[in-house]
Amino acid sequence: DVKVTQSSRYLVKRTGEKVFLECVQDMDHENMFWYRQDPGLGLRLIYFSYDVKMKEKGDIPEGYSVSREKKERFSLILESASTNQTSMYLCASSSGLAVYNEQFFGPGTRLTVL
Amino acid sequence: RKEVEQDPGPFNVPEGATVAFNCTYSNSASQSFFWYRQDCRKEPKLLMSVYSSGNEDGRFTAQLNRASQYISLLIRDSKLSDSATYLCVVNPRQYQGAQKLVFGQGTRLTINP
Repeated sequence: DVKVTQSSRYLVKRTGEKVFLECVQDMDHENMFWYRQDPGLGLRLIYFSYDVKMKEKGDIPEGYSVSREKKERFSLILESASTNQTSMYLCASSSGLAVYNEQFFGPGTRLTVL
Repeated sequence: RKEVEQDPGPFNVPEGATVAFNCTYSNSASQSFFWYRQDCRKEPKLLMSVYSSGNEDGRFTAQLNRASQYISLLIRDSKLSDSATYLCVVNPRQYQGAQKLVFGQGTRLTINP
């Protein structure tokens, strides 16, 4: 079974703090993704990576950065958290380049920025 | 216009009923299509891929109409356990690397006893 784990289920931070969200997958997948999910807006792609040390911007990268130093780990960084970054953050992974490859999601991190 | 649009619902139907959802997408070059299911407070999981020829998995039937750019999901003989949010997902194939997906906002379905 593919397993994608995220470091925290719930996180509360203060405005201006630097926040790290960690994601680990155990299936040797090449591709990893970070999304945020907000009511009425659905899932929106923040950043993704198709290989170690490679990263590409998604649809809403502003205010975020990522790091992928090892194949199994993909980190999302909020350099200076703001209240509009309060959201559910979901990490996903998938293998290869085939157009019908499934994305497997982690359980999510609900981040609240006060 | 959103890349992927679906009726957010909620749909409330009695157990045993047949229910259908539609979803439209804007990019005619889109390569692949999916329905994901998301239970309350859980992560999305793949329900089924949608192929040009249409496909069926038990009580679930998915169809793709490329000419009209819409995808449908039909659930027959609905069960209480089918209550969830159904996400229409499209791969727009704008990037040659990893397969990016674009998600609709989801259609919420509740099956009533």
